Amino acid sequence: GAGVSQTPSNKVTEKGKYVELRCDPISGHTALYWYRQSLGQGPEFLIYFQGTGAADDSGLPNDRFFAVRPEGSVSTLKIQRTERGDSAVYLCASSLTSGTGGVEQFFGPGTRLTVL
Amino acid sequence: AQSVTQLDSQVPVFEEAPVELRCNYSSSVSVYLFWYVQYPNQGLQLLLKYLSGSTLVKGINGFEAEFNKSQTSFHLRKPSVHISDTAEYFCAVSDLGDYKLSFGAGTTVTVRA
Repeated sequence: GAGVSQTPSNKVTEKGKYVELRCDPISGHTALYWYRQSLGQGPEFLIYFQGTGAADDSGLPNDRFFAVRPEGSVSTLKIQRTERGDSAVYLCASSLTSGTGGVEQFFGPGTRLTVL
Repeated sequence: AQSVTQLDSQVPVFEEAPVELRCNYSSSVSVYLFWYVQYPNQGLQLLLKYLSGSTLVKGINGFEAEFNKSQTSFHLRKPSVHISDTAEYFCAVSDLGDYKLSFGAGTTVTVRA
């Protein structure tokens, strides 16, 4: 079956611009996660959705970052007034309902964002 | 939040030799532990996970890991590597009942003939 897909695969933008990154999770997965991976680092948690609601957005670095999942499937990560420090690979993952945790998260290939 | 340390950033190894990748985490509370692999130009893929029970966990592609609670470690091993094991390996931890993962910085394994 189809895995997690992310579009675009690469995005180059200028400092100060607005960008949207899209994630299509595996069909039937109710949980969706966004992570950010900077060069030479492991992925860092940003936000977690259970269904349509953001259950935990404690990893969002500041109010320029926002994510939505209006119908409980596709999610969009939105970054306003981009800065050079936002350059990273943005990873999306999905899973079945986490319950008590410990479920496998399935990762997409990521969107590489470059802010010039 | 958990802190995860992968002690080796790069591990070169010859084909058919054994390999061990070390991972330590910060918390002494109950945790779930994972190893993910990222092959070149691919997404992260789960190798194995520890939730409870036997401390020796077997995963895909001949990998295994051992959970050591007293040392807060979860080291990954493979007795004989192949060229195709060349990849980046990430250790990840989540607290019991939590869902978000805390990752280490990764270990790049390069297998040479």
